[in-house]
Amino acid sequence: AQTVTQSQPEMSVQEAETVTLSCTYDTSENNYYLFWYKQPPSRQMILVIRQEAYKQQNATENRFSVNFQKAAKSFSLKISDSQLGDTAMYFCAFAPDGGATNKLIFGTGTLLAVQP
Amino acid sequence: GAGVSQTPSNKVTEKGKYVELRCDPISGHTALYWYRQSLGQGPEFLIYFQGTGAADDSGLPNDRFFAVRPEGSVSTLKIQRTERGDSAVYLCASSSQPAEGVYTFGSGTRLTVV
Repeated sequence: AQTVTQSQPEMSVQEAETVTLSCTYDTSENNYYLFWYKQPPSRQMILVIRQEAYKQQNATENRFSVNFQKAAKSFSLKISDSQLGDTAMYFCAFAPDGGATNKLIFGTGTLLAVQP
Repeated sequence: GAGVSQTPSNKVTEKGKYVELRCDPISGHTALYWYRQSLGQGPEFLIYFQGTGAADDSGLPNDRFFAVRPEGSVSTLKIQRTERGDSAVYLCASSSQPAEGVYTFGSGTRLTVV
């Protein structure tokens, strides 16, 4: 079965510091997508960053970057210069069957608290 | 509309009742998804529509759950004979590029069965 594991239920970071959220996944496929989503109290899932498995280069989006280790099936999210507005639940997600994606498989989430 | 709209935002119903949850996707998005998020968990896939047809309904937990999308736009998730275990946030997402894994989510409907 394809699974996504987030081993950190909660994390805390000081404003302006850097924090890394961990994610591992299990699949036998070679082509797929990986995502980090942010879910604030409004409940809407907001895409933070997206990685295509066939690309070796790690994705970056402003203060957000990933460390994608395909052989290790690891996909961690680094948030630099943390801001109070980054406080939220963060979900790692995996989309199998790249090119025929019809569903996301989510981890259980990490609650990130940015402290002033 | 500009985003994915879900109504109602919150719904409280009695055990055994029937409920309908509505999703209004982004205009022009052909792909529509329903997910269920139980307390303390990540969202779990329920069903995927491509146009008017259900391309994948493998995530529906049992035959009390049914979803339709008759005109390829608005979708309704229907739950019969609700049980307390159905209490969750039901999220809808739409996409114009499902093969690229690009989705926009709504803010969900929080269903509470008492």
